[in-house]
Amino acid sequence: NAGVTQTPKFRILKIGQSMTLQCAQDMNHNYMYWYRQDPGMGLKLIYYSVGAGITDKGEVPNGYNVSRSTTEDFPLRLELAAPSQTSVYFCASSTSQGNSGANVLTFGAGSRLTVL
Amino acid sequence: GENVEQHPSTLSVQEGDSAVIKCTYSDSASNYFPWYKQELGKRPQLIIDIRSNVGEKKDQRIAVTLNKTAKHFSLHITETQPEDSAVYFCAASIRSNTGKLIFGQGTTLQVKP
Repeated sequence: NAGVTQTPKFRILKIGQSMTLQCAQDMNHNYMYWYRQDPGMGLKLIYYSVGAGITDKGEVPNGYNVSRSTTEDFPLRLELAAPSQTSVYFCASSTSQGNSGANVLTFGAGSRLTVL
Repeated sequence: GENVEQHPSTLSVQEGDSAVIKCTYSDSASNYFPWYKQELGKRPQLIIDIRSNVGEKKDQRIAVTLNKTAKHFSLHITETQPEDSAVYFCAASIRSNTGKLIFGQGTTLQVKP
C-alpha cells in the first residue's frame, strides 16, 4: 500500500514550457486534491475532484488544469509555466465521510517545481 | 468563499512550556476543523481534529478548543518537546460533500532545549 505517490519530486522548467505533475493513490479514495505551498502562505487549494470524471476549481486555479479519468489518478497540468508557479505542490486524497464533514487527508511527498 | 486566518506566524518557546496557536474562520457553515503538522521537508500529517458539535478534544499533550459563536479554534500543546518543532496548519471544512479543506497560513513552532 503506497498511499499517495507524486512524480516528479523535483523539476526545473523554463518560462513558457509545459509539464504534468502526476499523482496516484491506491487507497480507493474518491476525493483528490492539489495544493501548492509557498512560504508564509500556507496550503492553497488549486483543484479538487470528488470522483472520476468530476473536477472543480479551488482557491488558485489560474494557470493549471486537471483531469480525473480514473479513481486512482489525478494529474495536474501546467500549460505555460510562469515564475509565479514556482512552488511545492502537494497532492492529497481522502474518503467521503458523508455530511459530517470529517475529512482526513493523506498527502503525497510533494513535488518541488522551479520556473526560471 | 471560506477564509481561515492563523496566528502567530512564528512561535518560539522553551522546552516544557506551553504553546497556543489560534485560527479564525469566516464561514459559519464550517463544521470540521483539523490541525496538521509538517516537519521540515516532510508532508503534512493530521495530528488532531474537532467537529462543530464538540467544544474541546484532547489527545495526550495536545488539545483543540472550538468557539463556534466567535468562529475561532485553537491548538494547545503542553510540556513542549524539541520534536514538537514544526510548521502547524489549521484548516476548516465547509459542510458539504466535497471534503475540501481551506488551510490557514501556518505557524512555525520552535521549541528550544
